[in-house]
Amino acid sequence: GQNIDQPTEMTATEGAIVQINCTYQTSGFNGLFWYQQHAGEAPTFLSYNVLDGLEEKGRFSSFLSRSKGYSYLLLKELQMKDSASYLCAVSTDRGSTLGRLYFGRGTQLTVWP
Amino acid sequence: DTEVTQTPKHLVMGMTNKKSLKCEQHMGHRAMYWYKQKAKKPPELMFVYSYEKLSINESVPSRFSPECPNSSLLNLHLHALQPEDSALYLCASSQAAELSYEQYFGPGTRLTVT
Repeated sequence: GQNIDQPTEMTATEGAIVQINCTYQTSGFNGLFWYQQHAGEAPTFLSYNVLDGLEEKGRFSSFLSRSKGYSYLLLKELQMKDSASYLCAVSTDRGSTLGRLYFGRGTQLTVWP
Repeated sequence: DTEVTQTPKHLVMGMTNKKSLKCEQHMGHRAMYWYKQKAKKPPELMFVYSYEKLSINESVPSRFSPECPNSSLLNLHLHALQPEDSALYLCASSQAAELSYEQYFGPGTRLTVT
């Protein structure tokens, strides 16, 4: 089976830095995605890692270690609008059908003023 | 244009009704997906269409029937649903199902079954 684990909730203060961790155990690995989802809205793509290392995109960075089955999303200079659920999703191969996403349960981040 | 559109935005239906959800994308994507999402839970994959052919059916009950009339459109036909089917139904698309391209999600249809 596929197992993707991330914390349920996190809180942080405006202007701070927060790191959301994700660990995974999947049969096959074809990359890891992070999505942001505000309440009642669709998930929006944040980042994709397939090789080990850090990918930086403005205030957001994502790290992957394939040998450890571990990723994190780093959010800097937090703003109130960053309050949302952050979903870790792993893409696995499935025989001839690739690109199937398995989602973690999401981490609800609350940013306080 | 990186938009996936879905209609209707909200739908209330009785257990004996037949209704359809619609999804459209004009990004030239060849893979389209239906997900079901309950409150405070992650999206659960229901169906994947690749090049207009059903590629994955995640053992979804037959009261949900997907259809892909062409490469831009995806429908989900609903019939004899149960109250526990009430959820947010998300459509997504990606360049192709064979590789790990990011999926673009539509705003969803919030379905209530009474």
